[in-house]
Amino acid sequence: EAQVTQNPRYLITVTGKKLTVTCSQNMNHEYMSWYRQDPGLGLRQIYYSMNVEVTDKGDVPEGYKVSRKEKRNFPLILESPSPNQTSLYFCASTDRGTALNSPLHFGNGTRLTVT
Amino acid sequence: GQNIDQPTEMTATEGAIVQINCTYQTSGFNGLFWYQQHAGEAPTFLSYNVLDGLEEKGRFSSFLSRSKGYSYLLLKELQMKDSASYLCAVKGVGYSTLTFGKGTMLLVSP
Repeated sequence: EAQVTQNPRYLITVTGKKLTVTCSQNMNHEYMSWYRQDPGLGLRQIYYSMNVEVTDKGDVPEGYKVSRKEKRNFPLILESPSPNQTSLYFCASTDRGTALNSPLHFGNGTRLTVT
Repeated sequence: GQNIDQPTEMTATEGAIVQINCTYQTSGFNGLFWYQQHAGEAPTFLSYNVLDGLEEKGRFSSFLSRSKGYSYLLLKELQMKDSASYLCAVKGVGYSTLTFGKGTMLLVSP
């Protein structure tokens, strides 16, 4: 089944403790992206990647890192999480090779709480 | 940059028709997407418009007017399961620039 898989689904951590949220897609998509979703603010892009070893900042990259060593994986790293990074996170991918109307395929989300 | 406006909340009755509007200002335009998102779940793709006019897909239709910077999503024969948030997203120039509106929460009542 074609899907984007994020792990974990829920995570509670403490300020400053490094964490990684994994994202993997099995559709051979070139483009992958991370979003955070907060009440009243909607979905905001954190980082995106157009292909292996190519990453770039989105609208809210501060406090986050990403890597794209393989096409299928795009982990999100919080080196020193803070409470303002408490949010619902979504990974998404799309086939860059298809026309511009390729929709994003989203993972099921990771609800992160930083205390 | 992009600026996207949608109503925050709407309510409607089962079996009725509802129209969710989206207005946008953008420096480049390569299409507009509508997504549906149930509470706590991932957004799922509903429709894409890049040319002016109406695109129909079963109970859902989406309309675009590029000159007015305006789109709407029309939901017919509403069902309880249509209670969800509806996200308008505008694609700018390049693959990075998909900007989402804040979403419209639709509540369908019996």
